Amino acid sequence: DVKVTQSSRYLVKRTGEKVFLECVQDMDHENMFWYRQDPGLGLRLIYFSYDVKMKEKGDIPEGYSVSREKKERFSLILESASTNQTSMYLCASSGTSGRNEQFFGPGTRLTVL
Amino acid sequence: GEDVEQSLFLSVREGDSSVINCTYTDSSSTYLYWYKQEPGAGLQLLTYIFSNMDMKQDQRLTVLLNKKDKHLSLRIADTQTGDSAIYFCAESPLMDSSYKLIFGSGTRLLVRP
Repeated sequence: DVKVTQSSRYLVKRTGEKVFLECVQDMDHENMFWYRQDPGLGLRLIYFSYDVKMKEKGDIPEGYSVSREKKERFSLILESASTNQTSMYLCASSGTSGRNEQFFGPGTRLTVL
Repeated sequence: GEDVEQSLFLSVREGDSSVINCTYTDSSSTYLYWYKQEPGAGLQLLTYIFSNMDMKQDQRLTVLLNKKDKHLSLRIADTQTGDSAIYFCAESPLMDSSYKLIFGSGTRLLVRP
């Protein structure tokens, strides 16, 4: 079974702090994605990556950056956290053949005070 | 543009059938998916349908696809309290080679005892 893990389930940070959210997948997937989920807004794509060291902006990249130094790991970085970044963050991965389905991690609920 | 729409909320009585509807805009989508999100968890793939199919049945789940109207539905027979969750439909646009999925905003299903 595909396993996608995220470094924290719950995180509380202060405004202005630098925040790292880590995601690791064990299926040798090429594609990895970061979403945020807010009530009534569904999933919004922040960034995605289709290869090591490659990244593409999603729909809402402002205030975020990403890093993909190894194939299995995709990090989301909040350079200076703000209260409007309080949200549920979901990581996903997918391969390049077959059904193109994405496999999700359990999510990190981030609160910025 | 790319937009997947779902109603936000559905309430049914235990034992009844639930029908969750979704409309999508990209007729080139090769696969369409239904994901389930239980409280505090990530998304899990529930089922999917290939675009050349009209219907797919998997135990209590029936997916219907109307390509002409770009309408997708998920029917859950004999709905149980454990089916209470948020259900997301998603499409995989062929024209976009980035392996992104486009998600709806989710339908919250509440099953009353």
